Amino acid sequence: SAVISQKPSRDICQRGTSLTIQCQVDSQVTMMFWYRQQPGQSLTLIATANQGSEATYESGFVIDKFPISRPNLTFSTLTVSNMSPEDSSIYLCSAWRGYEQFFGPGTRLTVL
Amino acid sequence: GENVEQHPSTLSVQEGDSAVIKCTYSDSASNYFPWYKQELGKGPQLIIDIRSNVGEKKDQRIAVTLNKTAKHFSLHITETQPEDSAVYFCAASTPTGNQFYFGTGTSLTVIP
Repeated sequence: SAVISQKPSRDICQRGTSLTIQCQVDSQVTMMFWYRQQPGQSLTLIATANQGSEATYESGFVIDKFPISRPNLTFSTLTVSNMSPEDSSIYLCSAWRGYEQFFGPGTRLTVL
Repeated sequence: GENVEQHPSTLSVQEGDSAVIKCTYSDSASNYFPWYKQELGKGPQLIIDIRSNVGEKKDQRIAVTLNKTAKHFSLHITETQPEDSAVYFCAASTPTGNQFYFGTGTSLTVIP
């Protein structure tokens, strides 16, 4: 299995500000993903981040709101920009390796 | 695209009893079906998976069955314990892993 860490684990932010979430994988992986999980809900894919190319966003998510970086095969960041209370959620990073997908512990974001 | 349905949404069982969670999918191209356990405040953890060339897979108290013709798969937990209490998600994926769809989740409570 892959070990994935995320920073920060939680944060409380003011409306209109931005937060960058970091995701580190313990080994090289081709595909990394960013998900959003509302309390008590399932996981919604935000985007797929491949090293060396732009992220691919799912319907309803745009790069201006959720810019993603993937500088190498073990690291990715997700920025939540110009936040509003509706962005309060858990943001999860995951990595695909060997036909399996592994998740980080998540970042719990509260926007006031 | 793929549509994954999961039932029931909540499940309570007495300790020692069995628990069964069922999922259906729509895309016949899906061939990888993992199950995740998510405890409160944590990211989803892969507990067992099955691929479409296998009908059943077992790992100690956990088993997964797959009926590719009917497009449904199930998670079976035997001799349940209080620490099995969590939210369980099924998922379906195509071989490349770039299309990964989650069920809506089942909140399992094991009553001591």
